[in-house]
Amino acid sequence: DAGITQSPRHKVTETGTPVTLRCHQTENHRYMYWYRQDPGHGLRLIHYSYGVKDTDKGEVSDGYSVSRSKTEDFLLTLESATSSQTSVYFCAISESLGLAGGVKTQYFGPGTRLLVL
Amino acid sequence: AQSVTQPDIHITVSEGASLELRCNYSYGATPYLFWYVQSPGQGLQLLLKYFSGDTLVQGIKGFEAEFKRSQSSFNLRKPSVHWSDAAEYFCAVGAGTNAGKSTFGDGTTLTVKP
Repeated sequence: DAGITQSPRHKVTETGTPVTLRCHQTENHRYMYWYRQDPGHGLRLIHYSYGVKDTDKGEVSDGYSVSRSKTEDFLLTLESATSSQTSVYFCAISESLGLAGGVKTQYFGPGTRLLVL
Repeated sequence: AQSVTQPDIHITVSEGASLELRCNYSYGATPYLFWYVQSPGQGLQLLLKYFSGDTLVQGIKGFEAEFKRSQSSFNLRKPSVHWSDAAEYFCAVGAGTNAGKSTFGDGTTLTVKP
């Protein structure tokens, strides 16, 4: 299994409070991603990173920010949590396989269950 | 924009029976395609992937998938299902040079009857 951990694994918080989720990898992979998973929606990309301090938005980035100050850590912050952000959050990592075009395979962490009351 | 459709929300098969999970994608160029499995309370595990070459791809746990460009499909198959295969299955399509920016289908839940 790829060395990916997420913390906390479970969290309950109140509307309006900031929340930070952490993803830590031991694989030295360049790319890291945050997804959210909701019933009936599969996984949707929130933000991703293609290197230290290099990040970009995904399809559902509103209300979220990210930071990557070290290769191994990718933080997801809910600036002011809302009930619509109740979800399971997955971190993923990937590296280039060295093929033309830089095709990559993702490996997923165990997830963080967040409940916003 | 790329998209993935998994037409079957829930499938039930008997143990030992064959399985086919459908996946249709929309993408303007040659897609990078993936199947993942997720057991309850767990993360996603990669079953197999298609990047190029042979259109029949073998994966882990006895699964295979066939890429059919003419039908924009990447269906997952297994000849004989085991009770431990009960899980949710996700098809995903990756974009261009960064296949990690994947778009996922909504998933198919597989129930296995004894």
